[in-house]
Amino acid sequence: GESVGLHLPTLSVQEGDNSIINCAYSNSASDYFIWYKQESGKGPQFIIDIRSNMDKRQGQRVTVLLNKTVKHLSLQIAATQPGDSAVYFCAENISPGKFYFGSGTKLNVKP
Amino acid sequence: NAGVTQTPKFRVLKTGQSMTLLCAQDMNHEYMYWYRQDPGMGLRLIHYSVGEGTTAKGEVPDGYNVSRLKKQNFLLGLESAAPSQTSVYFCASSFRSYSNQPQHFGDGTRLSIL
Repeated sequence: GESVGLHLPTLSVQEGDNSIINCAYSNSASDYFIWYKQESGKGPQFIIDIRSNMDKRQGQRVTVLLNKTVKHLSLQIAATQPGDSAVYFCAENISPGKFYFGSGTKLNVKP
Repeated sequence: NAGVTQTPKFRVLKTGQSMTLLCAQDMNHEYMYWYRQDPGMGLRLIHYSVGEGTTAKGEVPDGYNVSRLKKQNFLLGLESAAPSQTSVYFCASSFRSYSNQPQHFGDGTRLSIL
């Protein structure tokens, strides 16, 4: 079946640096994508989403970029903080209400 | 504002036992989902529901059954638990809309099958 994957399983950054987490998706018909943050012992929390009619969307300290040509999604976190340490998942909407998730990237922020 | 609440938070079962995981949401969401998460992996969809009285299979439905008798509740059942079902189970819900909406997740049920 279709799947969503991540290039980097673990990313370590220095506090204050910018972080970039990448995701590849395989279903060219997917029209909606979400980034989630999951802290230890918790469920995933919504960070930001983007629809396929956009190539960039910004939130508070986060930016999501969508490249439909190469089916690539990225999450940029500005001025990374220790509280950003978590596992980040991208999710791809393959049909109404149905999502496939990537395997996750662990972000480790060093003080 | 409770959001999505899962019961129980932890459970240990013996092979062959049965149990039901309960998910409750207070956001009046139409869609509800059950996922499992195994170490080092993303979430895999077990079953989902697009409304009261309806259910559908996800990626990994075998060994599980679900029911959505009330809009706010979504139950996941294991009729005969197997060690391969040891996992963390997450419930989620979302609005049904003309445009897609993000899912809201509970904090998970950690299930061990011995």
